[in-house]
Amino acid sequence: DTAVSQTPKYLVTQMGNDKSIKCEQNLGHDTMYWYKQDSKKFLKIMFSYNNKELIINETVPNRFSPKSPDKAHLNLHINSLELGDSAVYFCASSQASGVTDEQFFGPGTRLTVL
Amino acid sequence: GQNIDQPTEMTATEGAIVQINCTYQTSGFNGLFWYQQHAGEAPTFLSYNVLDGLEEKGRFSSFLSRSKGYSYLLLKELQMKDSASYLCAVLDSNYQLIWGAGTKLIIKP
Repeated sequence: DTAVSQTPKYLVTQMGNDKSIKCEQNLGHDTMYWYKQDSKKFLKIMFSYNNKELIINETVPNRFSPKSPDKAHLNLHINSLELGDSAVYFCASSQASGVTDEQFFGPGTRLTVL
Repeated sequence: GQNIDQPTEMTATEGAIVQINCTYQTSGFNGLFWYQQHAGEAPTFLSYNVLDGLEEKGRFSSFLSRSKGYSYLLLKELQMKDSASYLCAVLDSNYQLIWGAGTKLIIKP
């Protein structure tokens, strides 16, 4: 069974569209994350979320919004897509936040904005 | 600002030993992680250091010196499958993970 799964794996869309990426973890973890990895391979945290707290990286445009229907899911919704949004987006989870737990990553979603 | 520095790329020979260095300047320190990322795949956890010294785990070891803001990942008996990027990440005072850009390791026969 896949621990952290994301769909879709590839997403190609036009500028200005709205899209969502889904993430699910079956590890029973309390905290989930969204990362953006650009062409230079930097992993940038976008959000971390548990039942109590959403922490947003202040550099993330408000076009990006996380949505969590339950503890096992954290979806990423993006409005008005721009060319610069093209990147690989990774979902991850850990047992808890604020502690030194390893993070388990999903396979990534490669987003291409045309 | 917060900064993690790693070499961009390294090359080593199958069967040899390689050391990948990481230096960091962060607001506070709550530990340092090493992750491995094969091309087109997700990062996977290798090690976590919070105290000074060497942590050994099979062919991989990780070293930390907090006073120097320095860590290294040591890979022994290199195998072709070790070709990957190795990411250094530091947990800062707010327990936020600050990531380096990664070191691409190329293994040659």
